[in-house]
Amino acid sequence: GQQVMQIPQYQHVQEGEDFTTYCNSSTTLSNIQWYKQRPGGHPVFLIQLVKSGEVKKQKRLTFQFGEAKKNSSLHITATQTTDVGTYFCASQGGSEKLVFGKGMKLTVNP
Amino acid sequence: NAGVTQTPKFQVLKTGQSMTLQCAQDMNHEYMSWYRQDPGMGLRLIHYSVGAGITDQGEVPNGYNVSRSTTEDFPLRLLSAAPSQTSVYFCASSGAGGGSNQPQHFGDGTRLSIL
Repeated sequence: GQQVMQIPQYQHVQEGEDFTTYCNSSTTLSNIQWYKQRPGGHPVFLIQLVKSGEVKKQKRLTFQFGEAKKNSSLHITATQTTDVGTYFCASQGGSEKLVFGKGMKLTVNP
Repeated sequence: NAGVTQTPKFQVLKTGQSMTLQCAQDMNHEYMSWYRQDPGMGLRLIHYSVGAGITDQGEVPNGYNVSRSTTEDFPLRLLSAAPSQTSVYFCASSGAGGGSNQPQHFGDGTRLSIL
């Protein structure tokens, strides 16, 4: 079935640094969703990308869908302590299944 | 607007016991699903439903049953609990006719321990 691989699984950055995390698939994706889960909380929807090469921004977060629709990236500019949490990508895994990656856990050193 | 409500929030069971995790949504969403979250494993889909009376298996369905008699409710049943089912369980829903293509609204989760 459809699988999305997230890299890296863990990321530790200094406050103020930029970083990028990736979500990759071996097959073409119809769309991709990104979620954020704060420690002790539940996943919260951030964005959905549908079109090839699509780029969307939310304040300091930039999301991109690859031209071949097989990968996606999340770039965070000037990381803040409020960005701490686990970021998930998710995509349809055939029929109506929404399959999540294993997540990227972000910690920030203030 | 309550959104997605899961009960209980915490539960401890003994091996072999049965229980039902409740999930209710008040957004008239057609699509509902159950995930389990384990350290390093992300969110794994257990079962999902595209509407009342329709359910299907996800990635890890063994040991779990579901039913969908109403649009609002999607309970998850553990028939004979095993320690391997110790996990955090999340229920999610989405609507607008797009099923899993729509943003998922998650409940707060049920933290389940099997001794």
